[in-house]
Amino acid sequence: AQSVTQPDIHITVSEGASLELRCNYSYGATPYLFWYVQSPGQGLQLLLKYFSGDTLVQGIKGFEAEFKRSQSSFNLRKPSVHWSDAAEYFCAVVSGAGSYQLTFGKGTKLSVIP
Amino acid sequence: SQTIHQWPATLVQPVGSPLSLECTVEGTSNPNLYWYRQAAGRGLQLLFYSVGIGQISSEVPQNLSASRPQDRQFILSSKKLLLSDSGFYLCAWSMAEPQHFGDGTRLSIL
Repeated sequence: AQSVTQPDIHITVSEGASLELRCNYSYGATPYLFWYVQSPGQGLQLLLKYFSGDTLVQGIKGFEAEFKRSQSSFNLRKPSVHWSDAAEYFCAVVSGAGSYQLTFGKGTKLSVIP
Repeated sequence: SQTIHQWPATLVQPVGSPLSLECTVEGTSNPNLYWYRQAAGRGLQLLFYSVGIGQISSEVPQNLSASRPQDRQFILSSKKLLLSDSGFYLCAWSMAEPQHFGDGTRLSIL
C-alpha cells in the first residue's frame, strides 16, 4: 500500500524567507501527488498537483513543487513566505487513475515570524 | 462552478447519542464523494467513499455509517457515538482527481 511521510511536524520561518516542506512517498509506479493547505478550523485547499509530464509544477499562492522519482519525493517550495502562509500543509498521493484512496501525510505545521 | 457544503460547522454531542452530518455538492453530476476524519496528531483518515447513489465503500470498521440518498448528497451517521468519535470530519468530492474539500464539521463528544 502507498504511504506518505512528512518528516517535519512543525517548521518556523521568518517572513520573507524561503520555504521547503518535505514529502516522501512509497509507491511502486508513478503516483498522482498533491499538496493541500489547511488553515485552522477550515477545510483543505488544493495548492498544486502532479500527474505526469514536467516534474516542476506551479500552484496557487506562489507555491511550487518538484517531483523527483529517484528520491520518491515531492517537496513543496516557496521563495518568499508571507505571514498569511501560516497553516498546516498536507502532502497526499493517489495510486493512479481509478483509485479512490487518497493517502495523506500527517502534515507539517508552518509558523511564520513577522 | 462546483461548490460543496457541510453542516453543521460545529457539534457537541453526549456519548451514546446519534449523529447525522450532511454534505451536498452543487454544480456537478455523479461526483465521487468521500468522508474523512481528522483526529489531532493523526492526519486524515478516509472513512467512506461513494461512486454513485446507494454505493458506499467503507475503509475503516467503526460504529459510523454513510449513505447517499441522492446524487449529490452524502450523509455520515452513527446510532451511538463514542468518545473516540471526536474529531474534525471532512467531506470531499471529485470527478477524477483532485479531491475538493468542504469546510468540515468539528465534532466534540462529552
